[in-house]
Amino acid sequence: DADVTQTPRNRITKTGKRIMLECSQTKGHDRMYWYRQDPGLGLRLIYYSFDVKDINKGEISDGYSVSRQAQAKFSLSLESAIPNQTALYFCATSDSTSNPPTGELFFGEGSRLTVL
Amino acid sequence: LANTTQPISMDSYEGQEVNITCSHNNIATNDYITWYQQFPSQGPRFIIQGYKTKVTNEVASLFIPADRKSSTLSLPRVSLSDTAVYYCLVEGGTSYGKLTFGQGTILTVHP
Repeated sequence: DADVTQTPRNRITKTGKRIMLECSQTKGHDRMYWYRQDPGLGLRLIYYSFDVKDINKGEISDGYSVSRQAQAKFSLSLESAIPNQTALYFCATSDSTSNPPTGELFFGEGSRLTVL
Repeated sequence: LANTTQPISMDSYEGQEVNITCSHNNIATNDYITWYQQFPSQGPRFIIQGYKTKVTNEVASLFIPADRKSSTLSLPRVSLSDTAVYYCLVEGGTSYGKLTFGQGTILTVHP
């Protein structure tokens, strides 16, 4: 089983619908991240969380919200999806206690979202 | 945040050594340099990380000059399966935990 699991893996929805992408991890890491990737582009940080009580905006948080329900779970929501949110979304984790402290990122397999 | 600049693309042939350089002129004292590899429709995968001088592991080497304003990822004897996008990240210090990726370098290995 994957250490970082994303659901759903693929989703097609319509403009205006609310969508939630879920991420769960079994690595015991305290830090979790949501990124989006558009064709031919690098990854852009949407939100990140250092622990259950900590949520931070990334580069492109507008139109998104997140919830850290537990240390192992970090959900990304699109309150009212629009076509330009069509992208591949990745969840990642890292361990703040690693040495060196910057830590290695561990990624999920991605969630491909299409907004029509 | 310490910005990074990499070549957009590179081409190589099987068996050659490939060197990808990343510029990070405003790297901070506490920043580390990390490289990731990404295949299509997969999440990036950690390759190597370093702070200064040279680091080597089973898949790559990382060369960091004394001023740390650049770094070079070296892939020895590449194969077709090394065709991927390679990202350089600079993290730590004031950008601690806020791990941002640039556009990366598309490496294409030809037969």
